Amino acid sequence: DTEVTQTPKHLVMGMTNKKSLKCEQHMGHRAMYWYKQKAKKPPELMFVYSYEKLSINESVPSRFSPECPNSSLLNLHLHALQPEDSALYLCASSSAGQETQYFGPGTRLLVL
Amino acid sequence: AQKITQTQPGMFVQEKEAVTLDCTYDTSDQSYGLFWYKQPSSGEMIFLIYQGSYDEQNATEGRYSLNFQKARKSANLVISASQLGDSAMYFCASETAGNMLTFGGGTRLMVKP
Repeated sequence: DTEVTQTPKHLVMGMTNKKSLKCEQHMGHRAMYWYKQKAKKPPELMFVYSYEKLSINESVPSRFSPECPNSSLLNLHLHALQPEDSALYLCASSSAGQETQYFGPGTRLLVL
Repeated sequence: AQKITQTQPGMFVQEKEAVTLDCTYDTSDQSYGLFWYKQPSSGEMIFLIYQGSYDEQNATEGRYSLNFQKARKSANLVISASQLGDSAMYFCASETAGNMLTFGGGTRLMVKP
């Protein structure tokens, strides 16, 4: 089973709202990732968690706040977003030490 | 830093024919991994195939094969017997230390019936 789930599938929020994106995997993977993908562009890495610790933060603005409550869950807390943050947010996971990343279906975010 | 180049923004292929999607990479690492992902309009990135830099044989997965030419730093994806469901964006990616993926700009493949 190589399933990564993400909720919600779609999200519309105002610039003053606080919302969270959720990602879950039950493959025993110890590395999890958040990517942001704008239309017609490749995904851009935002954060990497390895063994539940934040290992990479690609200079992401503080209005995006990741959280890894346990080895199966990854959250992305959103606050005071801008319209330019509208994008597809993809979560992925991999076995630490192995290369292949498996992606979830993504959350399409629209900031009004 | 790694760089992945996909020179074909869009391609057409006739159903049941084979198609090659180009990918070149630029890395100074001795050990690296190369990947191809498919992204349908639904958005999910679907892993297709992987090639390790030390693998001597080209990777194959069903109708997908990877034409790996290390000296040329190319890792082209070959899809045999194209199907209508193959219409999608295809991304080539390389993996660096720290499990970071660097993606190319993508190629949109359209399969004609």
